[in-house]
Amino acid sequence: QIQLVQSGAGVKKPGASLKVSCQASGFTFTDWGISWVRQAPGQGLEWMGWISAYNGYTKYAQKFQDRITMTTDASTNTAYLELTSLRSDDTAVYFCARDQKYSSNWYDYWGQGVLVAVSS
Amino acid sequence: DIQLTQSPSSLSASIGDRVTITCRASQSISTFLNWYQQKPGKAPKLLIYVASSLQDGVPSRFRGRGSGTDFTLTISSLQPEDLGTYYCQHNYDTPYTFGRGTSLEI
Repeated sequence: QIQLVQSGAGVKKPGASLKVSCQASGFTFTDWGISWVRQAPGQGLEWMGWISAYNGYTKYAQKFQDRITMTTDASTNTAYLELTSLRSDDTAVYFCARDQKYSSNWYDYWGQGVLVAVSS
Repeated sequence: DIQLTQSPSSLSASIGDRVTITCRASQSISTFLNWYQQKPGKAPKLLIYVASSLQDGVPSRFRGRGSGTDFTLTISSLQPEDLGTYYCQHNYDTPYTFGRGTSLEI
């Protein structure tokens, strides 16, 4: 069955970086894209960006442009989200989700989410 | 950025009720509109894509309609398992924003 299993939860200090991984199984990884969405505690959903596992193309939300990097590793069917210069308002549950390979469209399978808390 | 305004922000309904949630875009987005359901502590679940296409495995009581700036998600006969928060999201142009959500109580 199709699964996205995430890791990388934890507490980070302000100014540090986070790296969340999303390992896919049950489908051909390079036929799809991965989007990342986050949710601050008690808040709504926020789209962060998309990466094509097919060709590595990325689209990032402008608000994260200077400090976000999305990558994929086809040898391990894993997508990664890196966010630098963390602030307290980056505290959130970070979700990965399966998307389309040529552009971001809709997200039909989701990871379980990981909580990253930014605190001194 | 395109803003999506959902209404109501919360609602309480009874089993068997017909429920409609509205999502209005700040500019025309054609049919680049999706709907998700999120239960507490869980990841969102895709219900409707491209405004009106029902995702595989989603019950037919869920129906999406609309184009341009005005969209609706209708649950024809509310079931206990339909409680949760419903979000619309566009994929017309980045950033692909979500609405603020509609919390549905049974």
